Amino acid sequence: EPEVTQTPSHQVTQMGQEVILRCVPISNHLYFYWYRQILGQKVEFLVSFYNNEISEKSEIFDDQFSVERPDGSNFTLKIRSTKLEDSAMYFCASSGRTGGATEAFFGQGTRLTVV
Amino acid sequence: GENVEQHPSTLSVQEGDSAVIKCTYSDSASNYFPWYKQELGKGPQLIIDIRSNVGEKKDQRIAVTLNKTAKHFSLHITETQPEDSAVYFCAARDGNYGQNFVFGPGTRLSVLP
Repeated sequence: EPEVTQTPSHQVTQMGQEVILRCVPISNHLYFYWYRQILGQKVEFLVSFYNNEISEKSEIFDDQFSVERPDGSNFTLKIRSTKLEDSAMYFCASSGRTGGATEAFFGQGTRLTVV
Repeated sequence: GENVEQHPSTLSVQEGDSAVIKCTYSDSASNYFPWYKQELGKGPQLIIDIRSNVGEKKDQRIAVTLNKTAKHFSLHITETQPEDSAVYFCAARDGNYGQNFVFGPGTRLSVLP
């Protein structure tokens, strides 16, 4: 069964460093998302990406964040200068059809720890 | 924007009993409502969903009901088993405008053997 895969599973970084979280969405999907979940809290939307550009972003997704689809398979989230409060689980998700409501499938997540 | 509330925050049931989790949403334009199960250390797993053109959907022991007028939807799990223990999240998406989901705060379900 196709699945969303994320790497690494756990990333520890020093405050102020740049990190790149990687995702391989399901291959025929068209929409890609990043969400985050601070420990014990709900899943929060960061950004959605469609047709090689950001389609929506939340207030959390400030200038320190960027996304890229560098090739036909990978979807990355970059945090330029990490802060302690960026520590969270980051989930990538993808969904299929061009319009209407469709299922979104999540990866297993990357646990980012900023020290 | 959309706001999703979820109750209860924790729920304990005896194995074999039923569990019901309720969610409300604020944006009447929302038309797709998935439920996700999250086990410890894993990503959210889609377990069932409902679109706004139906009132109920069932898949084996799991069912979801939707009341568009009242803007609430519920997850029903019958004959609960210990492996049903997890955190359950409801979500809503505005299919007319956005593609992102707004999640509820989650319900931690414990099924006691």
